[in-house]
Amino acid sequence: QVQLVESGGGLVKPGGSLRLSCAASGFTFNGYYMSWIRQAPGKGLEWLSYIDISGSTIYYANSVEGRFTISRDNAKNSLYLQMNNLRGDDTAVYYCARVPDDFWRGFNAFDVWGPGTLVTVS
Amino acid sequence: DVVMTQSPDSLTVSLGERATINCKSSQSVLYNSNNKNYLAWYQQKPGQPPKVLIKWATTRESGVPDRFSGSGSATDFTLTISSLQAEDVAVYYCQQYYSPPFTFGPGTKVDIK
Repeated sequence: QVQLVESGGGLVKPGGSLRLSCAASGFTFNGYYMSWIRQAPGKGLEWLSYIDISGSTIYYANSVEGRFTISRDNAKNSLYLQMNNLRGDDTAVYYCARVPDDFWRGFNAFDVWGPGTLVTVS
Repeated sequence: DVVMTQSPDSLTVSLGERATINCKSSQSVLYNSNNKNYLAWYQQKPGQPPKVLIKWATTRESGVPDRFSGSGSATDFTLTISSLQAEDVAVYYCQQYYSPPFTFGPGTKVDIK
């Protein structure tokens, strides 16, 4: 079945780094854009980053621009988020999500989500 | 950036009654070239990731019960649950995917009275 599974979360000190992975299965990974979204404890959803199929078009939220880097390996059906210079307010559950193609603008709703991985910065 | 607001913050509705959640965007999310609103609604139950219910403002995702419906255009949108069921207790978010950053509303918590 269609599935996304995040990994790589954990406890890290402020200023540290962490690399999250998202393993995709059950669908043609290189046919979809992908995104990362996070949710701080007890808070709402915050979109972080988007990458197109080839990795040539990337967007970031202002809150992570310059600190986080999204990438993908279509041969490994995997999405990544390299997080550097982590701060306390980066503590959250991090989700990867699938984004179907859209002919007109290239943007779409997030139709499949992983269960999330918890990152704690303390 | 497109700012998304939702009202109310929380909602308590009796079983079988209607629940209505409003969402407003600070800019139009209607793309005139294809006449589509780049607006989605998600449901999040405790301990679970969000699940998309509605996309393109009015298109119900496959498998979503037909008691969920979306309406609106441009900057004003509504999610309606026509007959609230116990399993609908959740937080509901609207989100624009018209342009990055793809912002979410703050969420509306729906409970049973």
